[in-house]
Amino acid sequence: QSVLTQPPSASGTPGQRVTISCSGGSSSIGRHAVSWYQQLPGTAPKLLISGTGQRPSGVPDRFSGSKSGTSASLAISGVQSEDEADYYCAAWDDSLNGRVFGGGTKLTVL
Amino acid sequence: EVQLVESGGGLVQPGESLRLSCAVSGFTFSDHNMEWVRQTPGKGLEWVALSRNKTNSFTTEYAASVKGRFTISRDDSRNSLYLQMNSLKIEDTAVYYCVRLIFGGSGTHWGQGMLVTVSS
Repeated sequence: QSVLTQPPSASGTPGQRVTISCSGGSSSIGRHAVSWYQQLPGTAPKLLISGTGQRPSGVPDRFSGSKSGTSASLAISGVQSEDEADYYCAAWDDSLNGRVFGGGTKLTVL
Repeated sequence: EVQLVESGGGLVQPGESLRLSCAVSGFTFSDHNMEWVRQTPGKGLEWVALSRNKTNSFTTEYAASVKGRFTISRDDSRNSLYLQMNSLKIEDTAVYYCVRLIFGGSGTHWGQGMLVTVSS
């Protein structure tokens, strides 16, 4: 069971806005920045949104991240078929003294 | 171009040891904190260990599941990160990724992954 909680699945039709939530606690998201990763099948994870809220070079601007209290969200405005992938949130956790990941959300573009 | 290349994985029996290496290029290794993250086939990501740089006193942190069995180390002169894994268990079977971190803890670059299989 992951320390950060994500829905196991999400879906949307092309062009739709999709959001993926990530719920943590006061020792993780409540105190630390949240990063988001995309993992396409058979590949290594790729950073989508850094803890400072920035997108690395090459990441489309339809991806954005936000945080409020002990929760965070990844939004994809205008989802596209190539966005079908697994998405993970991550943050440092002071009580565990380690990094924690969400269980991952599988995005399906219908 | 930033590159992280893992090596040293393979098939071992429970209780045996294995050492993973991660050779990096394309950036100043000594400037960065580095970590290992693993992924059981078909499952999610699990953080394993963190190695901080000289500025951060070369301190290390470990996940509870590997503490006392795994040791993360680095050689800044060789631009390399290591993970010594002792007393391996079946549940350590996973693809292990070497990850470069930036300020704030985001993993900007990941290696291609190295499969470690622990089986009798």
